Amino acid sequence: DGGITQSPKYLFRKEGQNVTLSCEQNLNHDAMYWYRQDPGQGLRLIYYSQIVNDFQKGDIAEGYSVSREKKESFPLTVTSAQKNPTAFYLCGAGNSGNTIYFGEGSWLTVV
Amino acid sequence: GDSVTQMEGPVTLSEEAFLTINCTYTATGYPSLFWYVQYPGEGLQLLLKATKADDKGSNKGFEATYRKETTSFHLEKGSVQVSDSAVYFCALSDSRSSASKIIFGSGTRLSIRP
Repeated sequence: DGGITQSPKYLFRKEGQNVTLSCEQNLNHDAMYWYRQDPGQGLRLIYYSQIVNDFQKGDIAEGYSVSREKKESFPLTVTSAQKNPTAFYLCGAGNSGNTIYFGEGSWLTVV
Repeated sequence: GDSVTQMEGPVTLSEEAFLTINCTYTATGYPSLFWYVQYPGEGLQLLLKATKADDKGSNKGFEATYRKETTSFHLEKGSVQVSDSAVYFCALSDSRSSASKIIFGSGTRLSIRP
């Protein structure tokens, strides 16, 4: 919300193709997060990063990769190894020990 | 591990009705508790939060009280409006961690009839 920008809003992926979702924040928060939301369901954590050049797997990291080269940026790559990537992806940022703020989300559809 | 359980939806109410959405949690530490709201096709917005026992979070007429004895954080609003129709997520964050992962409940869809 506010200072977190996700792009693109809508993305279509062909079978076997890697795609990258962008997430940029200007909140100066240390931690960043990627969650996946399937229709009618809750959110599941994919990856998170506490500081630059460091990140940890969440509950459903298989088939995804991330990087954290800059504090402001935390892109998510959905690889061809992710067999069911169609979902709504949410990026968040937060300071240690407290609230996460989210972007508007990105819709990924496999065609 | 830590978890959040919230009442299943959908919940359908008439405008100006009283709203309660139940949320209970399981945590080994002293979590912060949150309610997020998701309007159709949008991301999550923080609605309110509470960081310690007996704290009351409030925003836009919604409120929730951190009850450690019952491990609950029920969301209430005295008079709902059509514009409150959305999905509401209860969540917790273990504040002991340097980068807290937020654990979400499964969400409760709320529909308000005019």
